[in-house]
Amino acid sequence: GENVGLHLPTLSVQEGDNSIINCAYSNSASDYFIWYKQESGKGPQFIIDIRSNMDKRQGQRVTVLLNKTVKHLSLQIAATQPGDSAVYFCAESPTGYGNKLVFGAGTILRVKS
Amino acid sequence: NAGVTQTPKFQVLKTGQSMTLQCAQDMNHNSMYWYRQDPGMGLRLIYYSASEGTTDKGEVPNGYNVSRLNKREFSLRLESAAPSQTSVYFCASSGIGQPNQPQHFGDGTRLSIL
Repeated sequence: GENVGLHLPTLSVQEGDNSIINCAYSNSASDYFIWYKQESGKGPQFIIDIRSNMDKRQGQRVTVLLNKTVKHLSLQIAATQPGDSAVYFCAESPTGYGNKLVFGAGTILRVKS
Repeated sequence: NAGVTQTPKFQVLKTGQSMTLQCAQDMNHNSMYWYRQDPGMGLRLIYYSASEGTTDKGEVPNGYNVSRLNKREFSLRLESAAPSQTSVYFCASSGIGQPNQPQHFGDGTRLSIL
């Protein structure tokens, strides 16, 4: 995609394995977090979100974990498939920031068949 | 079920030209947003509109203006385009709800300024 750049971290996994994509957020006052997937030539697609009163939330094949102590967010994808190859972004919304989001730079996920 | 629609998909401008990027959503969302995405970086908020009739600056508003035409439409205008505004522009919308609702994105406008 447009954001496949020189400096994005890349995670390469074998098809069928589990993937873990990590994100360090910056604002301890953030109370809402969200993960997006972006495929080449497309806009970001919502995957899953989590509020700060939760540590874990599960969706279909995805799990988001939130560790507020160390300001860390992770996205786990079970049984990774070639269609999961994309750039993944985390974003945070600080308290009092309304519904606005602050995005991280992204991680490239490559799935090997 | 179009979601968020952006036009045009591609555009090439010369320095100093003006242009308006269009965005429309059919999800009856109150809030709309404009972002830019540059290589190796996440999305940065240019302007947003929390509800019809209101607009506010985001992180990188300089060189841009916006209009919330009605609840469905939110346009972004470049009055005098500069090469530094070469980017991919994304529009997003979100519904009301406490405390947050996911933003839903269009597929972007790829803008090159020569």
